[in-house]
Amino acid sequence: DTEVTQTPKHLVMGMTNKKSLKCEQHMGHRAMYWYKQKAKKPPELMFVYSYEKLSINESVPSRFSPECPNSSLLNLHLHALQPEDSALYLCASSPLGRSREQYFGPGTRLTVT
Amino acid sequence: DAKTTQPPSMDCAEGRAANLPCNHSTISGNEYVYWYRQIHSQGPQYIIHGLKNNETNEMASLIITEDRKSSTLILPHATLRDTAVYYCTVLLIQGAQKLVFGQGTRLTINP
Repeated sequence: DTEVTQTPKHLVMGMTNKKSLKCEQHMGHRAMYWYKQKAKKPPELMFVYSYEKLSINESVPSRFSPECPNSSLLNLHLHALQPEDSALYLCASSPLGRSREQYFGPGTRLTVT
Repeated sequence: DAKTTQPPSMDCAEGRAANLPCNHSTISGNEYVYWYRQIHSQGPQYIIHGLKNNETNEMASLIITEDRKSSTLILPHATLRDTAVYYCTVLLIQGAQKLVFGQGTRLTINP
């Protein structure tokens, strides 16, 4: 199984809502990542988890709250988002050995109204 | 982190080899070159990586110059399904992996 799954595929939320994005992998990877991608731009790294611990936070606003409950799951909790947070949110995972290619999920397209 | 420079767009005829260049003149000795691509509305897909030797896999070949300041990704027989944005990046393989995408090259394969 070389797949990273993300749910939901699409999400529309108001600025006062609380929602969560979910990411799952069963490849035994011990690193997981969240990226944000605006239209016609490259993905931008948000968070990195290594061995279920947050190792990189790229100065992301606190309205985005990541969580890694176990080695297969990664969540991104959303609260009080702004319309400019509308984007494609990508999850990825990778092994932590010599070969560190990242496997990306299809993304969640988020619209904040 | 070393930065990469790629042409914004390229065209290639179907069935021909597509050669995508990348400059990474500030690469350090222990940074690897990685290539990913992103087909419209999908997540990025890993293609290939290398340190200093040329590499080949079922998808592509990677040619790295001897001074490691540039590389070329080669898709030997491009198909319409290879139309995508191709990203070249450099990466230290130690600690947490901080993948930084440049602007990439939008490759269009024409029939």
